[in-house]
Amino acid sequence: SQQGEEDPQALSIQEGENATMNCSYKTSINNLQWYRQNSGRGLVHLILIRSNEREKHSGRLRVTLDTSKKSSSLLITASRAADTASYFCATDLTGGGNKLTFGTGTQLKVEL
Amino acid sequence: GAGVSQSPSNKVTEKGKDVELRCDPISGHTALYWYRQRLGQGLEFLIYFQGNSAPDKSGLPSDRFSAERTGESVSTLTIQRTQQEDSAVYLCASRDRASYSYFGPGTRLLVL
Repeated sequence: SQQGEEDPQALSIQEGENATMNCSYKTSINNLQWYRQNSGRGLVHLILIRSNEREKHSGRLRVTLDTSKKSSSLLITASRAADTASYFCATDLTGGGNKLTFGTGTQLKVEL
Repeated sequence: GAGVSQSPSNKVTEKGKDVELRCDPISGHTALYWYRQRLGQGLEFLIYFQGNSAPDKSGLPSDRFSAERTGESVSTLTIQRTQQEDSAVYLCASRDRASYSYFGPGTRLLVL
């Protein structure tokens, strides 16, 4: 079954609101990464959280990791229209040969 | 410095023709990945190169797909006898020592 399932599949919010996206995975990981993709092209790396970390911040982004529940969340605070994009979590699996396994993504739309 | 570059940006081909896609990774990155993304879907791992080690080809969908990498530089992904189901965006990424992966803009392949 799919490693790295994002939830929800789509999210629509108003500018200024917070957006929360969740990611679940099935096997143990070295790290988990979040990426943003605009217009179906190249991905931009947002944040990496290692398996021994529980929370990381970068600007308006906050990522949490719960290895006991095999889940992660990405919080974008004070969202802007420019945050409209698809967001993917990717897991670097233990023993996975260093390749990233991506989920199907959350489509975020931030409306003015 | 320069990011990951890919060429061509777009490729339209006829069913049955061969295509070659190129990726120029970030200088100094020893790891290089190819992914495929069908419309509206997540990224599907294809192949992984790490230094001089044998590549991880576990994601290649059929023997029509092959990839090469010259040392720690350019990589080419070749699809022989293309099929309509091969239509997708093909993304290349290179990874630094901190495990961050940097993606190129992708090649959008359309097989008619």
